Amino acid sequence: EAQVTQNPRYLITVTGKKLTVTCSQNMNHEYMSWYRQDPGLGLRQIYYSMNVEVTDKGDVPEGYKVSRKEKRNFPLILESPSPNQTSLYFCASSLRAGGRSEQFFGPGTRLTVL
Amino acid sequence: KNEVEQSPQNLTAQEGEFITINCSYSVGISALHWLQQHPGGGIVSLFMLSSGKKKHGRLIATINIQEKHSSLHITASHPRDSAVYICAVSWGKLQFGAGTQVVVTP
Repeated sequence: EAQVTQNPRYLITVTGKKLTVTCSQNMNHEYMSWYRQDPGLGLRQIYYSMNVEVTDKGDVPEGYKVSRKEKRNFPLILESPSPNQTSLYFCASSLRAGGRSEQFFGPGTRLTVL
Repeated sequence: KNEVEQSPQNLTAQEGEFITINCSYSVGISALHWLQQHPGGGIVSLFMLSSGKKKHGRLIATINIQEKHSSLHITASHPRDSAVYICAVSWGKLQFGAGTQVVVTP
């Protein structure tokens, strides 16, 4: 089954404690993205990756890091989380970049930073 | 200012009613997506279209490129259609509307 998986699904942490949210897809997609979703603001792109070792900033990259060492995995790293990073996070993958093909989303990770 | 505007923000319908959600955008696009987000949070792709009309089951999506407008219609609505429906446009990147919360009551 074609899918994007994310872990963990829920996470409560404290300010400054480094964390990683994993994302994996089994569709051999080159393009992967991370989004955050906040009430009234819609989905906003944090980082994206066009292929292995090729990543770039989206609209709201501050406070986040990513890596793409393998095609299937695209982890999101928060080196020093702060309360304003409390949000619902989605990983997504697609065959083509820029929304030119069907989007596949992970189940979401609800992060609370105290 | 968001280049993608959805209306209405919220919609309540009775089971069986015809529902229409609208999406207007201000930029030239290569494609438009309609997504569905259920209360559990997961997002699934319903349609991707660049012209005309697409139909899947009780869902119909239309787009008018000249008027920069798309609509998502739900015929014979059912409580399981209760979800947030999100419009997203592709213009070099993907930009999302704020979503329309739909509640269908029995």
